[in-house]
Amino acid sequence: SAVISQKPSRDICQRGTSLTIQCQVDSQVTMMFWYRQQPGQSLTLIATANQGSEATYESGFVIDKFPISRPNLTFSTLTVSNMSPEDSSIYLCSVATQANTEAFFGQGTRLTVV
Amino acid sequence: AQKITQTQPGMFVQEKEAVTLDCTYDTSDPSYGLFWYKQPSSGEMIFLIYQGSYDQQNATEGRYSLNFQKARKSANLVISASQLGDSAMYFCAMRLFTGNQFYFGTGTSLTVIP
Repeated sequence: SAVISQKPSRDICQRGTSLTIQCQVDSQVTMMFWYRQQPGQSLTLIATANQGSEATYESGFVIDKFPISRPNLTFSTLTVSNMSPEDSSIYLCSVATQANTEAFFGQGTRLTVV
Repeated sequence: AQKITQTQPGMFVQEKEAVTLDCTYDTSDPSYGLFWYKQPSSGEMIFLIYQGSYDQQNATEGRYSLNFQKARKSANLVISASQLGDSAMYFCAMRLFTGNQFYFGTGTSLTVIP
């Protein structure tokens, strides 16, 4: 299993600013993912954070808007840049170890943009 | 492409009764895992139960059981003896053994009535 510490747990931000979300895992993991969950919606994968290389983004998400860092096998950050009210969501960090095991999630960051 | 379908946006159940949450999936890959997660109003994702595509028996974890019907491509979650604390969103998810990404359904909101 893996224990994930994600922070901040919530924030209220002004439009046009940026917020960086941190995700710390208690063990080395190969795969780390960032999800967005808009109000009342399911989870949508933003990107896979790759250690030592650029993140792999899903369709509809771009690096300029959601830059991701993965400096080592236990840590990653997601930045939500130039925020607008449409970015108000829960952002979740997730890790998975082996192929047939569950994903572990951080506590989530509840972001409100005003 | 992989797809998860949850057709029940909301469900109500009387305390101490059993409830079934529906999930169907679509994939042409024979090797996959199916997962159920619970998301309380606090936002964290809590892993409940896992079923592998090659598992012969239905998975059980305490009050949770997974009714896996491979030919129908369904993986319904059964919660027995519902408790007030079971009130939450429930997400069905799938992951291919060959890939990293988790595919989530749209979720079912369960309300347990005293």
